[in-house]
Amino acid sequence: DIQMTQSPSFLSASVGDRVTINCKASQNINRYLNWYQQKLGEAPKLLIYNANSLQTGIPSRFSGSGSGTDFTLTISSLQPEDVATYFCLQHNSWPWTFGGGTKLELK
Amino acid sequence: EVQLVETGGGLVRPGSSLKLSCATSGFTFSNTWMNWVRQAPGKGLEWVALIKDKYSNYEANYAESVKGRFTISRDDSKSRVYLQMNTLRDQDTATYYCTTADYWGQGVMVTVSS
Repeated sequence: DIQMTQSPSFLSASVGDRVTINCKASQNINRYLNWYQQKLGEAPKLLIYNANSLQTGIPSRFSGSGSGTDFTLTISSLQPEDVATYFCLQHNSWPWTFGGGTKLELK
Repeated sequence: EVQLVETGGGLVRPGSSLKLSCATSGFTFSNTWMNWVRQAPGKGLEWVALIKDKYSNYEANYAESVKGRFTISRDDSKSRVYLQMNTLRDQDTATYYCTTADYWGQGVMVTVSS
């Protein structure tokens, strides 16, 4: 199985900060990586698909980059409503595997 | 609006069975591959099972941890996907999510405990 190592596990930042979250795959997954946001008590929401494509309706402050084994989710200017847990998913091969998640809080 | 609503969770004893259901709306269900993903308390997400669409002959894939015990199925006429879980173990305790990968339900809790 492909292992997805996500970092950091916890992140504290201020409103307006640029925030980056990383996922590293144990082998090449091309661009088959999605990023999700999950707020407490809510269903996960797709933010970025195929590494760098912004899902419809998602604010443009969210962006994704990377290919192969190293991927990054960037929030260009953190907003209070961005407090959530973020996780990555590789869908290059079965079984799909997830990063361990990053809990983002406001400083 | 896309909706996925899971039902059927609960508290069961080890060795017993449970069937989860996911009712969907707002997208073309019959053309969509459907998945179950779970999250044990305090743990990360684990993909459980996939069922492809009719064009892929409804092929199913399973995580090794559930192979032989869980069965995924779908009813395109009702836009529903199911997860039959047999011989449940303590380690199957988790919130189970129905997902297309683009969209997720809110999840349903399954607790396996004696």
